[in-house]
Order: sequence, then C-alpha cells, then structure tokens
Amino acid sequence: GENVEQHPSTLSVQEGDSAVIKCTYSDSASNYFPWYKQELGKRPQLIIDIRSNVGEKKDQRIAVTLNKTAKHFSLHITETQPEDSAVYFCAARRDSSASKIIFGSGTRLSIRP
Amino acid sequence: DGGITQSPKYLFRKEGQNVTLSCEQNLNHDAMYWYRQDPGQGLRLIYYSQIVNDFQKGDIAEGYSVSREKKESFPLTVTSAQKNPTAFYLCASSIGGLQETQYFGPGTRLLVL
Repeated sequence: GENVEQHPSTLSVQEGDSAVIKCTYSDSASNYFPWYKQELGKRPQLIIDIRSNVGEKKDQRIAVTLNKTAKHFSLHITETQPEDSAVYFCAARRDSSASKIIFGSGTRLSIRP
Repeated sequence: DGGITQSPKYLFRKEGQNVTLSCEQNLNHDAMYWYRQDPGQGLRLIYYSQIVNDFQKGDIAEGYSVSREKKESFPLTVTSAQKNPTAFYLCASSIGGLQETQYFGPGTRLLVL
C-alpha cells in the first residue's frame, strides 16, 4: 500500500542554523504534499503545502522542495528559532476524493540555544 | 485554530467500558477524520467520513466505531474490544473532494484505569 517515510526521527540544531527534514513516498500518483507542525500536547497545524505542478515553495523562513522523479520532498527551515521546536509531519495524497492522506512518522526538532 | 472542537480533553476508561469521544466542527466541512497518535509515533487513521451518513474504515478501525448523522459531528466510540486504547486521539476535518487541507481539533487524551 501507500507509504510515506520520514527522516530523521529526531533532529537537533543550533539556534540560527538551518534544519532539513526529508520524506519519500511510494505512490507515484501522489500530487499533494502538506507539512504539519505539532507542538507538545497540541494539535497538528498546517505550515506549508506543495502541489506537484511546482518544484519549490517558500513562506518566510520555511521552504518545501519536491522531486517527483525521485518521489521525495523536503522541508527546509532557515535561521531556526526556539519556537521552531516541535514535531513535524510530512504527508502525501492523490488529488482524488477517494484517497486518504498518508502521514510520515514525524521528526522531533529541537533547537539548541 | 477555531472551528473544530473535541471533548473531553482527558478521558478515563475502565476495563470493559465503552467511551465516546466528541468531535464537532462549524467550518461547513464535508469530510471528517479520526486519528490515533501514540507517543513518538505518527498519525494513524481510524475512520473517515466524506459525507453525512457514510464513513469508511481507516488503517486501524478494529475496536472503534463511528457515526455521521450530522455534517457537524463525528463521534468516535472506543469499545471494550480495543485492548490498548491509551493514546492521543485527534479529529480533523477538510472541505472535501480535491481540497484536502486538514484542520485538526485539540485532541483527547484517553487513559485506562
């Protein structure tokens, strides 16, 4: 079945440095890729998403890149800040009302002061 | 953040007891979802509903039941058949169809006494 693998499971970076989280997906028909941020004990919240007709999307310090040929996409956070500490989930799905969204297993990002 | 609510925030279940988790949304979303999140793990889909009076099993439906009698409401019952119910339960909704951005509720933490 469909699968989304996410790496690394934990990531610690110095404040101000960049963080990169990578995901690969198995369903070549996937064309919608959201990223969620979940702070401790809170709900996941959408931070950025990308569709397959673009290769990169940026929103301030956050960017997502997509390589459809290799079936992988990445989240890039630049100039990391303490409030970036959270668990980040990638996900993938087809643009079909009959399709489920498949989540990665999550990456716990810690920002060291 | 607003628009989708879950109650209670914490729920305690005794051995052999059925408990029901509430999920309500006023976003006029057609689709609603229930996920289970275990510590350090990703989101696993329990059930989802794309329209009133219709719902589909997700990846881990055994021991759970749902109903969708109203568009706004998608309650989840954790039955006594679910032998390991301790987890964080997240409800989500989306407009439906091709618009698959999911908005999550604040979650219910279920604990077994």
